[in-house]
Amino acid sequence: DAKTTQPNSMESNEEEPVHLPCNHSTISGTDYIHWYRQLPSQGPEYVIHGLTSNVNNRMASLAIAEDRKSSTLILHRATLRDAAVYYCILRPQRGAQKLVFGQGTRLTINP
Amino acid sequence: DARVTQTPRHKVTEMGQEVTMRCQPILGHNTVFWYRQTMMQGLELLAYFRNRAPLDDSGMPKDRFSAEMPDATLATLKIQPSEPRDSAVYFCASGGTSGVYNEQFFGPGTRLTVL
Repeated sequence: DAKTTQPNSMESNEEEPVHLPCNHSTISGTDYIHWYRQLPSQGPEYVIHGLTSNVNNRMASLAIAEDRKSSTLILHRATLRDAAVYYCILRPQRGAQKLVFGQGTRLTINP
Repeated sequence: DARVTQTPRHKVTEMGQEVTMRCQPILGHNTVFWYRQTMMQGLELLAYFRNRAPLDDSGMPKDRFSAEMPDATLATLKIQPSEPRDSAVYFCASGGTSGVYNEQFFGPGTRLTVL
């Protein structure tokens, strides 16, 4: 399974944008980049995914580098509810659908 | 609002006892996953099923763990005998019918404590 590298923790202020980086230098051409987050005392939840182009949804935006060796999850206006552990995960286009979780980034939001 | 449900939410048991955790996937989902989360190991996949057939259980200690799907609405994870090192939060997740794009929907977890 291709590996991702994320900072252990980040901190931001409420109502400010947050940029969560992820490095995946060994990504293969058919790996999708998925982001999940885990709020305190809950199971993980899907945030967003992409392959090559930048993606937007109601929760966040995903910016993917041109060489695909890194990506950034963008929360445009963080709220206290966005405090969670964010996981960047690579999933192959074909084959196993399982998610291989790393340690993730623990995001703290200050009021 | 479709959700994955898990029972029990909390379980405290003594070493050597049998533990059964249950999961009801979202109706229509054909893939079910069991994950375990501990402080030391983080989130790790134990096993997963597609159309009720086990596809991968390589993450599961075979001598004491077993996972089954008696029918499309129920997945079970059993530990017999349980040990203190099995203390963890066990998550069930279900996924859609096809493709790699399908997100996984996680249940609230079963917090297991083995004394």
